[in-house]
Amino acid sequence: QSVLTQPPSASGTPGQRVTISCSGSSSNIGGNTVNWYQQLPGTAPKLLIYSNNRRPSGVPDRFSGSKSGTSTSLAISGLQSEDEADYYCAAWDDSLNGVVFGGGTKLTVL
Amino acid sequence: LQLQESGPGLVKPSETLSLTCTVSGASISDTNYYWGWIRRPPGKGLEWIGSIYYSGSTFYTPSLKSRVSMSVDTSKNRFSLELTSVTAADTAVYYCARHIHRPVNAYNWFDPWGQGTLVTVSS
Repeated sequence: QSVLTQPPSASGTPGQRVTISCSGSSSNIGGNTVNWYQQLPGTAPKLLIYSNNRRPSGVPDRFSGSKSGTSTSLAISGLQSEDEADYYCAAWDDSLNGVVFGGGTKLTVL
Repeated sequence: LQLQESGPGLVKPSETLSLTCTVSGASISDTNYYWGWIRRPPGKGLEWIGSIYYSGSTFYTPSLKSRVSMSVDTSKNRFSLELTSVTAADTAVYYCARHIHRPVNAYNWFDPWGQGTLVTVSS
């Protein structure tokens, strides 16, 4: 059971906009910034969004993050087949004094 | 900057898992960063194991704290993980990553990651 809660799966068709949610509590998302990671099949995770809504260099602006209270969302617009991957949210947890991840969402591009 | 995990791919139950992460293209002694270990068991999600600073200061996830030890070798620009008394539940792909951890700025993320190494616990 992960500390952060994500839907196990999501799907969309090419060109569509998809959102992936992640919920937590005041000790993690509510009081700290959130990051998102993308793990393409057979590869290592890659930082996709940091500090709630900032994109590292090289990440397309089709990816965006937002946070409200103890929940956060990752939005992917103009969905492409190469976006098919597992997506994880993560945050610092003040109660556990450590990093917590969501269980991951497997995105399928139909 | 690149990180590369190394170590045995097979460990027997009750024994100790030992992995090393070699950093190239940056100094592990950079005061701006910690260095972390994360794992992904088969069919499951990511789990942070712990992180270490170049000085040797560490913090671990509570669920593994009694079995985890991390160390750093600045002369060889690498850091290591030891996990004792392993069971099948410790079978996972283990990743090392640079950990940007600055509570005062609320900075806390991993970037970049190593390619990962599969460790199987089996007799």
